[in-house]
Amino acid sequence: EPEVTQTPSHQVTQMGQEVILRCVPISNHLYFYWYRQILGQKVEFLVSFYNNEISEKSEIFDDQFSVERPDGSNFTLKIRSTKLEDSAMYFCASSSGGRGAFFGQGTRLTVV
Amino acid sequence: DQQVKQNSPSLSVQEGRISILNCDYTNSMFDYFLWYKKYPAEGPTFLISISSIKDKNEDGRFTVFLNKSAKHLSLHIVPSQPGDSAVYFCAAKRNAGNMLTFGGGTRLMVKP
Repeated sequence: EPEVTQTPSHQVTQMGQEVILRCVPISNHLYFYWYRQILGQKVEFLVSFYNNEISEKSEIFDDQFSVERPDGSNFTLKIRSTKLEDSAMYFCASSSGGRGAFFGQGTRLTVV
Repeated sequence: DQQVKQNSPSLSVQEGRISILNCDYTNSMFDYFLWYKKYPAEGPTFLISISSIKDKNEDGRFTVFLNKSAKHLSLHIVPSQPGDSAVYFCAAKRNAGNMLTFGGGTRLMVKP
């Protein structure tokens, strides 16, 4: 069964450093998303990406965040200068444009 | 942001009995609703969904009911199995856009 894969599974970084979280969406999907879940809190939408551009973003997705689809398979989330409060599980998801999104297993980002 | 609420943080059910998980929403622009299951250290897994034009959708042991006038949906699992033990999230989507708004989750424990 096709699945969304994310790497790495766990990333530890120093505050102020840049991190790139990587995702390979399901191959025939057209919509790509990043969500995050801070420990003990809700899953929160960050951004959606379609046709090589951002289609929606939340207020969390400020200037320190960016997304890119550098080739035909990868979808990345970059955090330019990490803060302690960026520590969370980051989930990539993809969909075919229908209603449901399929999620990856997540990357746990720990900022120290 | 309390647009989607799951008021019960946890639910314990005996194996073989029915599990009923509830979800309330406030945004009348939501027109599509989804349930996800999440195990620790994994991403949310799509379970079942329902459009606002329906009041019931069934898939095997899982049934979702939607009461639009009450802005309430529920997920019924029958019969419940120990492998159903997980955190269940309801999520909602507006007609415009693909962003999912999640509830806070309900931890279901099915006892053998």
